[in-house]
Amino acid sequence: AQTVTQSQPEMSVQEAETVTLSCTYDTSENNYYLFWYKQPPSRQMILVIRQEAYKQQNATENRFSVNFQKAAKSFSLKISDSQLGDTAMYFCAFMTSPTGTYKYIFGTGTRLKVLA
Amino acid sequence: NAGVMQNPRHLVRRRGQEARLRCSPVKGHSHVYWYRQLPEEGLKFMVYLQKENIIDESGMPKERFSAEFPKEGPSILRIQQVVRGDSAAYFCASSRQGDQPQHFGDGTRLSIL
Repeated sequence: AQTVTQSQPEMSVQEAETVTLSCTYDTSENNYYLFWYKQPPSRQMILVIRQEAYKQQNATENRFSVNFQKAAKSFSLKISDSQLGDTAMYFCAFMTSPTGTYKYIFGTGTRLKVLA
Repeated sequence: NAGVMQNPRHLVRRRGQEARLRCSPVKGHSHVYWYRQLPEEGLKFMVYLQKENIIDESGMPKERFSAEFPKEGPSILRIQQVVRGDSAAYFCASSRQGDQPQHFGDGTRLSIL
């Protein structure tokens, strides 16, 4: 069974500094997708970044980038120049489709607080 | 373009009543997913539907829960004879193709008195 583990329940970072959130996963599949979603206090689920497993290049989106290490099954999120609006729960998610279903498997989340 | 629309945002039911949660996917999206989030937990997959078909309901309890996505109209998640343990946030997501990122609605917060 596929699993996603986020080992940091809470983290904090000073405004303008850099923070890295960890995520590991377990799967026997070779083709899959990984995502980071942000859930602010409003509880919306907002896609931050996406990585296809077949791509070796790490995905980046403005201040957000990932360190994808397929062999280690690790998918960490780096937030540069942290802003107060980055305060939220961050969920790592995994998706594969061996049987035609595309369900996400989410980690338990990391609560990030950006401090002024 | 409107995103995924869920209603109601908040729903209060007494034990034993029925709860109906509605989800209108992004226009042009034919794949719909329902997830449940208990307090302080991540989202858990419940069911995956395409128009008029249930593709995967492996995460949905066998009793009291049902889902549909009719040819016309929104997807409906129905919970019969609700119990306290059904209190949670229920999120709907949609995608154009199965391997495309899922777009989430704002969720329905279900509270059982």
